[in-house]
Amino acid sequence: EVQLVESGGGLVQPGGSLRLSCAASGFIFSSYWMHWVRQAPGKGLVWVSRISGDGSTILYADSVKGRFTISRDNAKDTLYLQMDSLRAEDTALYYCARRSGAGGFFDYWGQGTLVTVSS
Amino acid sequence: EIVLTQSPGTLSLSPGERATLSCRASQSVSSSYLAWYQQKPGQAPRLLIYDASSRATGIPDRFSGSGSGTDFTLTISRLEPEDFAVYYCQHYASSPWTFGQGTKVEIK
Repeated sequence: EVQLVESGGGLVQPGGSLRLSCAASGFIFSSYWMHWVRQAPGKGLVWVSRISGDGSTILYADSVKGRFTISRDNAKDTLYLQMDSLRAEDTALYYCARRSGAGGFFDYWGQGTLVTVSS
Repeated sequence: EIVLTQSPGTLSLSPGERATLSCRASQSVSSSYLAWYQQKPGQAPRLLIYDASSRATGIPDRFSGSGSGTDFTLTISRLEPEDFAVYYCQHYASSPWTFGQGTKVEIK
């Protein structure tokens, strides 16, 4: 059974940093591209970042470029999102999602980890 | 960037009725790379439809997708109580991947 479990969220002050993790199981992690998607409280879904299976190809949304860093450790079956220079508008539930092997859509999602940026 | 606009914002219907949700793209979505997701309160999104019209594994056949180019539709033929939720369309033709703002299907 495919499982994605996020962790690392919490309360952080503006300008602070946080590192999110997404532990994967039930599939060959290194074979799949992975994404981060966020959802502000009561709002819609917003794509954040994507990384290829071997970590060589990375993309970011303009809103996080230069502040967030996506990475992965295929030996640990874990995806990461390093979040620096956090702003109030980064407050959201952060989901990791797996890119399907059959196309670019997201076939599995974690339950999310909440990041709150506030003083 | 492809902007996806969903309508209506809220759909008030009764169980057993037919739901028709629209998703319009600001430019043509190549190869119909469009997906639909369902999200219930407190839950992660769940994939329903991909490639505009293909049902994901385990999705009941009352859910169907159609469309191409800039206009796409999700149809729920007969609403079951568990179908009342928020629905999002998403394109995956190119970066940045974008989502519509969502349509809430609520019980009338």
